Amino acid sequence: DTAVSQTPKYLVTQMGNDKSIKCEQNLGHDTMYWYKQDSKKFLKIMFSYNNKELIINETVPNRFSPKSPDKAHLNLHINSLELGDSAVYFCASSQDFGGGLAKNIQYFGAGTRLSVL
Amino acid sequence: EDQVTQSPEALRLQEGESSSLNCSYTVSGLRGLFWYRQDPGKGPEFLFTLYSAGEEKEKERLKATLTKKESFLHITAPKPEDSATYLCAVQAKGSSNTGKLIFGQGTTLQVKP
Repeated sequence: DTAVSQTPKYLVTQMGNDKSIKCEQNLGHDTMYWYKQDSKKFLKIMFSYNNKELIINETVPNRFSPKSPDKAHLNLHINSLELGDSAVYFCASSQDFGGGLAKNIQYFGAGTRLSVL
Repeated sequence: EDQVTQSPEALRLQEGESSSLNCSYTVSGLRGLFWYRQDPGKGPEFLFTLYSAGEEKEKERLKATLTKKESFLHITAPKPEDSATYLCAVQAKGSSNTGKLIFGQGTTLQVKP
């Protein structure tokens, strides 16, 4: 059983299209995250949700919109895709976002490689 | 601005050749430091959490240490299966209400047989 699963694993699309990436976790965690990893392996937080409530909203173009239908799912919708959006997007989850540090350990999915042509 | 810098960017070792990876950080109060391992085509996998200066943690051939300004990941007698990118991340005290992690750019380790 995969703890944090993302779909699709690969996404190739044209500039200007709209696409979504789905994420699900079966760890019973309350907090979920979206990260972007660029070609230099630099991993940067985009959003986080705790029990469907937005917690972190970094400086990200408003073409990116996260949606959390329940605490086990966090999807990422991207409008009007641009060349610069090409990257690997990772979903992660943690037991909580506050409290003891052990609860903040983040567990990652396998990533979605997005290529915008 | 909170920042994490890892060095070297890439490291090649012969099997059995011990070495260390460095993670230097500048944060407005450290709440915790995390080490992750990332294999090609996969997501980061959690290795260690360090909370305070002087703390050490070990797992098989890996040992992580923490000072007030940096952390080291020591690899003793590495094997080819230790080849991966090792990521360091910090959580600042100011992020205790968000869980935000700031990652370094990683060190890609290659261990040759």
